[in-house]
Amino acid sequence: EVQLLESGGGLVQPGGSLRLSCEASGFTFSSYGMYWVRQAPGKGLDWVSAIGGGGIDTYYADSVKGRFTISRDNSRNTLYLQMYNLKAEDTALYYCARGGSLLDWGQGTLVTVSS
Amino acid sequence: EIVMTQSPATLSVSPGERATLSCRASQSVSNNLAWYQQKPGQAPRLLIYGASTWATGIPARFSGSGSGTEFTLTISSLQSEDFAVYFCQQYNNWPRTFGQGTKLEIK
Repeated sequence: EVQLLESGGGLVQPGGSLRLSCEASGFTFSSYGMYWVRQAPGKGLDWVSAIGGGGIDTYYADSVKGRFTISRDNSRNTLYLQMYNLKAEDTALYYCARGGSLLDWGQGTLVTVSS
Repeated sequence: EIVMTQSPATLSVSPGERATLSCRASQSVSNNLAWYQQKPGQAPRLLIYGASTWATGIPARFSGSGSGTEFTLTISSLQSEDFAVYFCQQYNNWPRTFGQGTKLEIK
């Protein structure tokens, strides 16, 4: 059974930093691109970032480019999202998801940016 | 950036009836289009990928069609558990983009 478990969310002040993690199990982690998708309270889905299976190719939404960094550790089956210079509009539930068509999703970790 | 537009925003349908949801892309995405279902308090769930291929475990009453810029998700006979929000997403181009969602509610 595929499982994706996000962690690392919390309350942070504007301008602050946070690192999200997503522990994966139940599939060959290095064989899949991995994605971060967020959802602001009461809003729709917003694609954030993606990384290829080998960890070389990375992609970002314009809204986070230069502030967020996606990475992965295939030896630990873990995906990361390092977030810098956080803004109020980054407040959302952050999901990790597997594969280009987002085959499986975690339950999300909540990031709140507020003073 | 490819803009995905879903219609209608809200669809009211009675149980047992058919529901038809639309998704339009601002430029061709070939058949690289997926549909997701999201219920309150839950993560989204993949229903359809490749515009028309069922994801694992998805009932046959869900079907997807279309290619290029026009796509449709049809639910042939609505069950109580189908009332939810539905999103489309293109994965043909970067950045990946989602539609704004269609809320399917009980009439």
